[in-house]
Amino acid sequence: QVQLQESGPGLVQPSQTLSLTCAVSGDSINSGHTYWSWIRQPAGKALEWIGRIYTSGSTLYNPSLKSRVTISLDTSKNHFSLELYSVTAADTALYYCARLRDVVMFDVWGRGTMVTVSS
Amino acid sequence: QSALTQPPSASGSPGQSVTISCTGTSSDVGAYNFVSWYQHHPGKAPKLIVYEVTKRPSGVPDRFSGSKSGNTASLTVSGLQAEDEADYYCNSYTGSNNFYVFGAGTKVTVL
Repeated sequence: QVQLQESGPGLVQPSQTLSLTCAVSGDSINSGHTYWSWIRQPAGKALEWIGRIYTSGSTLYNPSLKSRVTISLDTSKNHFSLELYSVTAADTALYYCARLRDVVMFDVWGRGTMVTVSS
Repeated sequence: QSALTQPPSASGSPGQSVTISCTGTSSDVGAYNFVSWYQHHPGKAPKLIVYEVTKRPSGVPDRFSGSKSGNTASLTVSGLQAEDEADYYCNSYTGSNNFYVFGAGTKVTVL
């Protein structure tokens, strides 16, 4: 059974970098036809796709966040990571990692981790 | 890219059916048959229940069905059960910028 688990600080100071990791179990991060993705949900708002990374390392980001985001893979640890730079209160959200299959469906999700941006 | 529009809530009695709409545009829902639906019980991981508008992953009961007409997709839950009480989110692939757009979710209550 494939499982994803997000981890990282729950509180980040404004203007700093938000860093999260998604540990993957039950599947290899090198699996074909598989992208790994980050999604977030501010309280009371819609889910927002942040970006995705393919097993080759190629990335694609939401244009609204592209200038502040990096997603990377660590195949030795079978996990992938999110870095969001220069955060503000608007980045406060529940952050999910998810497996994206065949480009179009998020078939496995983590439980999410809450990140608050505040001083 | 604007979020997809979903009603904030829906409800039905056990055994009844409830249908949730998901309205997008001709650039997302109307353009591609890549609409998916997710069930989320708070505190748990969201679960894929419908993909490519009408398909169900293995293990998802056939009580869950999806459809689409124009720019609006729908999820119908038939024979409502207590465990169906959850938040439901729709998603569409948009193509432009290889983008993914979601709805804000619909809370389904089983009366």
